Amino acid sequence: EIVLTQSPGTLSLSPGERATLSCRASQSVSSNNLAWYQQKPGLAPRLLIFAASSRATAIPDRFSGSGSGTDFTLTISRLEPEDSAVYYCQQFGSSQYTFGQGTKVEIK
Amino acid sequence: QVQLVHSGAEVKKPGASVKVSCKASGYSFINYHIHWVRQAPGQGLEWMGMINPSDDNTNYARKFLGRVTMTRDTSTGTVYMELSSLTSEDTAVYFCARERPGAINFDYWGQGTLVTVSS
Repeated sequence: EIVLTQSPGTLSLSPGERATLSCRASQSVSSNNLAWYQQKPGLAPRLLIFAASSRATAIPDRFSGSGSGTDFTLTISRLEPEDSAVYYCQQFGSSQYTFGQGTKVEIK
Repeated sequence: QVQLVHSGAEVKKPGASVKVSCKASGYSFINYHIHWVRQAPGQGLEWMGMINPSDDNTNYARKFLGRVTMTRDTSTGTVYMELSSLTSEDTAVYFCARERPGAINFDYWGQGTLVTVSS
């Protein structure tokens, strides 16, 4: 099973700042098989990025994804207060899906 | 609009089974896979498995093999997830989510069903 490790655990930044979230895989992941989700308290996750770098429908362009192989990054270019949430990466490999443990983004 | 609507909260005793439903609407039911993902209180997301409503094929996470069963009813557009031999560690919110085959991402999610396992 491919293990995804996200860092940092928590990111505390001010509005307008740039957030960089990391997702590292225990073995190589196809870029087509890497997605990012945002989850706010009490709600279901929301798809942000698929195929490592493609934005899902209606996702603002301040969200971007990049990376390949074992290292992937979600960047929020200019934080807004509503970006306060937990962010998860997800991969598919060997017929199994796995999620990272999440990065919590706090807005000061 | 696409909707995935869950059945209501459940309280079960250890050792029992629970069956949660997810009713799909607003799209062609047989053209999208349905996945189940759970989230224990204060914890992250855990993939449990998926079902292909068009042919009833399933793919379960290795952790849940032998304990989970996913089924579907094409006449009502509903998918079911049954988990047996419950323990307190199965206390979680259980989400269903839709995936276009081969997309490798879940574009719509249900609101979730809270399952509490307690004696």
